[in-house]
Amino acid sequence: DIQMTQSPSSLSASVGDRVTITCRASQSISSYLNWYQQKPGKAPKLLIYAASSLQSGVPSRFSGSGSGTDFTLTISSLQPEDFATYYCQQSYSTLRAFGGGTKVEIK
Amino acid sequence: QVQLVQSGSELKKPGASVKVSCKASGYTFTSYAMNWVRQAPGQGLEWMGWINTNTGNPTYAQGFTGRFVFSLDTSVSTAYLQISSLKAEDTAVYYCARDRSSGWYNWFDPWGQGTLVTVSS
Repeated sequence: DIQMTQSPSSLSASVGDRVTITCRASQSISSYLNWYQQKPGKAPKLLIYAASSLQSGVPSRFSGSGSGTDFTLTISSLQPEDFATYYCQQSYSTLRAFGGGTKVEIK
Repeated sequence: QVQLVQSGSELKKPGASVKVSCKASGYTFTSYAMNWVRQAPGQGLEWMGWINTNTGNPTYAQGFTGRFVFSLDTSVSTAYLQISSLKAEDTAVYYCARDRSSGWYNWFDPWGQGTLVTVSS
C-alpha cells in the first residue's frame, strides 16, 4: 500500500506569512495527489486536485506543486480563515490513503 | 446544488450495531462512486473504502473488513455504512464523500457533514 507522510505535523505562522506544507509518497504517484482543508468541527474541503489544479472557488493564494513522490501545498499570504488542518491524499492507487495532516496555528 | 446529507449522531453500547446514511442530491447518484472516511477524536482522516454505486460492489481498506458493510438504496439515492459488534475504538466521526474524476484523476467532492458515532456503556 502507498503511504503518505506530511511534514511538519503542525506549524505556527502569522497572518501574511508564506506557508509551505510538504507531502511525500512511499512510491511514485505521478501527479495523483489531492489537498484538503479541514476546520474544527467541519467536513474536509477540496483545495487542489491532480497536484496543482485549483478547485473552483478556492482562493488563488493556495497552490500545489510536485510530482512523483514529493509534493507541496503553498499558501502565499496566510489569511485568518486559513488556520486549519491540511491533508494530502493520493489517488494513484484505488486505496486512497491520506497523509497524517498538518495543523496550521496562529503565532 | 450537489449535496450529501448524513444521518444524525448515534450513541451505542459496545456490541451493538449502527447504520449511518448518506443521502445524495443534485446529481445522478449512480454516476459517481461513494467513499467512506473515518476520523477518530483528535485524529486524522482514515479512508475506509468505497462502493460502486452502479454495481453495488464495495471495496474495503485494510482494517475495515468484517464488521463494516457498505450498501446502497439507489431508489432514494442513499449510501449506507453499517458497523456491527461496536467497540469503544469505533467512536469517531464518519464521513461519506463523492468520488469525482477528470481523466485518470480522482478526488473527493463534496463531503457529507459527518456523523458522530459514540460507543460507550
